[in-house]
Amino acid sequence: GQQLNQSPQSMFIQEGEDVSMNCTSSSIFNTWLWYKQDPGEGPVLLIALYKAGELTSNGRLTAQFGTTRKDSFLNISASIPSDVGIYFCAGTAGDSNYQLIWGAGTKLIIKP
Amino acid sequence: EAGVAQSPRYKIIEKRQSVAFWCNPISGHATLYWYQQILGQGPKLLIQFQNNGVVDDSQLPKDRFSAERLKGVDSTLKIQPAKLEDSAVYLCASSLDRGSEAFFGQGTRLTVV
Repeated sequence: GQQLNQSPQSMFIQEGEDVSMNCTSSSIFNTWLWYKQDPGEGPVLLIALYKAGELTSNGRLTAQFGTTRKDSFLNISASIPSDVGIYFCAGTAGDSNYQLIWGAGTKLIIKP
Repeated sequence: EAGVAQSPRYKIIEKRQSVAFWCNPISGHATLYWYQQILGQGPKLLIQFQNNGVVDDSQLPKDRFSAERLKGVDSTLKIQPAKLEDSAVYLCASSLDRGSEAFFGQGTRLTVV
């Protein structure tokens, strides 16, 4: 079945640093979604992307829908302690019957 | 606007017992999803409803899992009998329609001992 490769698996950064993570797929996707999950909570939608090349910002977060439609990245600028959590990419492929396919997540840890 | 409500938040049962989870989606959302999330992994879709009909249940272990959304609003997910490997967080999500952004509830953390 279709899979998403999300990297890195985890990141240790200093407060104030910029963060970048990405997702790649083996097939063309129609939608890319980025979620954040805090411990004990459900995932919360951060950014939704619907068109190839689309670049969308949400505060300090910026995400792009790759022009090949097989990848997406999420950047976080000037990280703060509350950015800690697990970030998931998810997307829908053309033949997936709108089923959301999920990456394995990127765990963001801020070094004290 | 109220979010997706799930109950209970936590449940501990012994293996071979049965358990049921409840979900109330966002008002007006036609699509409802049940996901299983094992620790350290992304959510795995168990079943997707469009109104009160099943769109996708290909990954639902139908010998022990069942779900229904009788009136196209609330939904229940049942496990009978439970196995140790069913220990996970069960997430309910809803979206306005298929392909729209999904909004998640807080989940039910199930521990099978």
